[in-house]
Amino acid sequence: AQTVTQSQPEMSVQEAETVTLSCTYDTSESDYYLFWYKQPPSRQMILVIRQEAYKQQNATENRFSVNFQKAAKSFSLKISDSQLGDAAMYFCAYTQGGSEKLVFGKGTKLTVNP
Amino acid sequence: NAGVTQTPKFRILKIGQSMTLQCTQDMNHNYMYWYRQDPGMGLKLIYYSVGAGITDKGEVPNGYNVSRSTTEDFPLRLELAAPSQTSVYFCASSYPPFSHGYTFGSGTRLTVV
Repeated sequence: AQTVTQSQPEMSVQEAETVTLSCTYDTSESDYYLFWYKQPPSRQMILVIRQEAYKQQNATENRFSVNFQKAAKSFSLKISDSQLGDAAMYFCAYTQGGSEKLVFGKGTKLTVNP
Repeated sequence: NAGVTQTPKFRILKIGQSMTLQCTQDMNHNYMYWYRQDPGMGLKLIYYSVGAGITDKGEVPNGYNVSRSTTEDFPLRLELAAPSQTSVYFCASSYPPFSHGYTFGSGTRLTVV
């Protein structure tokens, strides 16, 4: 079965500092996509960043970047210059290339302290 | 462009009652999904559809039914509601090659008492 593991149920960071959220996944495929979704208290699922497994370059979206280690099946999310609005649940997810189904981790709750 | 619209946003059901969660999208996406989110458990796939007239079970389909008569609509039916179905339900849509992930609705919080 496809699995996604987020080993940190909760994390906290001081405003303006950097935090890294961990994610590992299990697949035997070589072609797949990885995602980080943010879920604020409003409940809306918001796509933060995505990575295509065949690309070696780590994806970056403004203050958000990933550390993609394909051999280790690791996909961590780094948030730089943390802001109060970054406080949310963060979910790691992946889908195999050609598959229509996303598999999610259990999430990491991020608290940002002023 | 409304994206994915779910109704209702909140609902309380009594044990044994039935209801339909509505989901509609205006992006002409062929693929639609229903997930449930339980505290500390992430999102689990209930049912999905790859196009009008085609549906398939996900990881946790028991107690639910779906239909897909049009590209736009993908309702989720709960028959004989049970407390174990208390959850937040998300509808989502996507399109190949899935590298863009899903577009999610805003969710329905359902409580069965």
